[in-house]
Amino acid sequence: SQTIHQWPATLVQPVGSPLSLECTVEGTSNPNLYWYRQAAGRGLQLLFYSVGIGQISSEVPQNLSASRPQDRQFILSSKKLLLSDSGFYLCAWNNLAGVLDTQYFGPGTRLTVL
Amino acid sequence: AQKITQTQPGMFVQEKEAVTLDCTYDTSDPSYGLFWYKQPSSGEMIFLIYQGSYDQQNATEGRYSLNFQKARKSANLVISASQLGDSAMYFCAMREGTTSGTYKYIFGTGTRLKVLA
Repeated sequence: SQTIHQWPATLVQPVGSPLSLECTVEGTSNPNLYWYRQAAGRGLQLLFYSVGIGQISSEVPQNLSASRPQDRQFILSSKKLLLSDSGFYLCAWNNLAGVLDTQYFGPGTRLTVL
Repeated sequence: AQKITQTQPGMFVQEKEAVTLDCTYDTSDPSYGLFWYKQPSSGEMIFLIYQGSYDQQNATEGRYSLNFQKARKSANLVISASQLGDSAMYFCAMREGTTSGTYKYIFGTGTRLKVLA
């Protein structure tokens, strides 16, 4: 069966520091991968999605970037964090070969920027 | 632009009763998919149920059913026999196609459900 991992689970970072969040998927190949951010008490905002290695589509211009160095690895980065980057970051995957093309989510990373 | 609307920020329901969470959508695509997710306080997003735009029957998964009214563009989630563990945030979502051939998903703002003992 497929599983999706995210780490770290929680992170507290000072303003201006760099960021690297990692997401990996097991049990499937060539997944579509997604990064979302959820502000406190709010809905999900799609940040990036990727259909393959090195292929990144950005939904919202900001100081974040994403990379996909391997088929089942998706990384969210920032060179300098802002206070507004605080939130709950969720990675998700789907596979169009599946019947429902449903998205499945990782456990999330709670980021606090101070 | 495609859009998902959840008009109920919060709902209460008595344990063992049924509850309906509203979701309306707007799209010009003839083919689309609608999803409901549950987010407990732990933060994980749990897939509940899916409805395809061409599905003739309403989707059901255990105590969850989706009341799909295509002409009204609504996809309400019905939870029967509510349990205390159903207390959570519930999100409606719709998939849309992209130029790269994959799908992306737009989410509503969510409804917080509280089940009362």
